[in-house]
Amino acid sequence: NAGVTQTPKFQVLKTGQSMTLQCAQDMNHEYMSWYRQDPGMGLRLIHYSVGAGITDQGEVPNGYNVSRSTTEDFPLRLLSAAPSQTSVYFCASSYVPDRARNTEAFFGQGTRLTVV
Amino acid sequence: GDSVTQMEGPVTLSEEAFLTINCTYTATGYPSLFWYVQYPGEGLQLLLKATKADDKGSNKGFEATYRKETTSFHLEKGSVQVSDSAVYFCALRHGGSNYKLTFGKGTLLTVNP
Repeated sequence: NAGVTQTPKFQVLKTGQSMTLQCAQDMNHEYMSWYRQDPGMGLRLIHYSVGAGITDQGEVPNGYNVSRSTTEDFPLRLLSAAPSQTSVYFCASSYVPDRARNTEAFFGQGTRLTVV
Repeated sequence: GDSVTQMEGPVTLSEEAFLTINCTYTATGYPSLFWYVQYPGEGLQLLLKATKADDKGSNKGFEATYRKETTSFHLEKGSVQVSDSAVYFCALRHGGSNYKLTFGKGTLLTVNP
């Protein structure tokens, strides 16, 4: 199984450009999420989805959009890149049981984004 | 809201030394607790987990016990190896509107031969 696949692995953008970070999973997981990882901050939730057609904001959603048209894919869009969005982005997926217990989250390898 | 506090490090040990990375949490209810490991250039992998009080998670020689009375989930290993060098994240998750994982800031472990 491929697990969670993220593309691209590296990206450099100019301020104001837009781009889409791709995330796909082949485990039929209902729950998918995007995190950003910054030095000294741990991982912070950007957006999440509990199923196709359903998305919601996490703790740091500003400047990002998501959609979930299929179970497998959960792209993250940067609308107008800013230097503050320089970070490493991780996509994760898992099952959603009754109360979200006993659910291992599987992570992609990450996208390192630099905005200049 | 939920929060996780872990020893920030960096931690540098010699091979075969004993490892402890402290983790405490603040959360309502009864969250599940996790340790994730991130090797250089890779994503996060689940190392071990515990879902209720007094549960012990274990994997690859690492252990952690869910202590509700002290709201802690400290990671331990009796004899570390060079290959254990990585960043370790403590995290919690429980049911709710977003099922999110709440992470600590991570602890960089370097093991020297």
